[in-house]
Amino acid sequence: NAGVTQTPKFRILKIGQSMTLQCTQDMNHNYMYWYRQDPGMGLKLIYYSVGAGITDKGEVPNGYNVSRSTTEDFPLRLELAAPSQTSVYFCASSFGQGREKLFFGSGTQLSVL
Amino acid sequence: QKEVEQDPGPLSVPEGAIVSLNCTYSNSAFQYFMWYRQYSRKGPELLMYTYSSGNKEDGRFTAQVDKSSKYISLFIRDSQPSDSATYLCAMTSGAGSYQLTFGKGTKLSVIP
Repeated sequence: NAGVTQTPKFRILKIGQSMTLQCTQDMNHNYMYWYRQDPGMGLKLIYYSVGAGITDKGEVPNGYNVSRSTTEDFPLRLELAAPSQTSVYFCASSFGQGREKLFFGSGTQLSVL
Repeated sequence: QKEVEQDPGPLSVPEGAIVSLNCTYSNSAFQYFMWYRQYSRKGPELLMYTYSSGNKEDGRFTAQVDKSSKYISLFIRDSQPSDSATYLCAMTSGAGSYQLTFGKGTKLSVIP
């Protein structure tokens, strides 16, 4: 099994551009999450989903959008990219009673210049 | 006061040493405590998971939770160069909460 797969691994955007970070998991997990990690800071939750069709905001949702049309996929959309969105983005998933046990992807390093 | 405090290090130890990593927290509702290990340019991976107070051992790793002091620890015995990574503590109240609160991470280097 591949686990949680994120694409792309690296991306440079210009200010004002838009892009979608892709995330897919093959573990049939119902919970999925997007986190961002800035240097010297802890992981911050952007959005999460408890199942297909259901999403909710986390701690830092401004400037981002998500959708969850299938159990497997949870894309993160950046509209009008800003330098403050320069970060490493991690997608994660978890399941049922052990939903605190997150499985992370390998991350997308995004620079907005 | 921040919800979770973790010394960022860096911490450098010789191979074979016992390593102690710690986090303090302020939210008494936290019930589930985790340690994640993150290698450079990789995603975090769950290392230890503990519910409520007490100790949990897994091989060379021991997780300890003291809820009365709001203090958690991770001990690594006989440390190896392959243990060199950043260690993140994380915690949550459970009970419907979907958000983990992470520490900033402690960067550990084990020198051969």
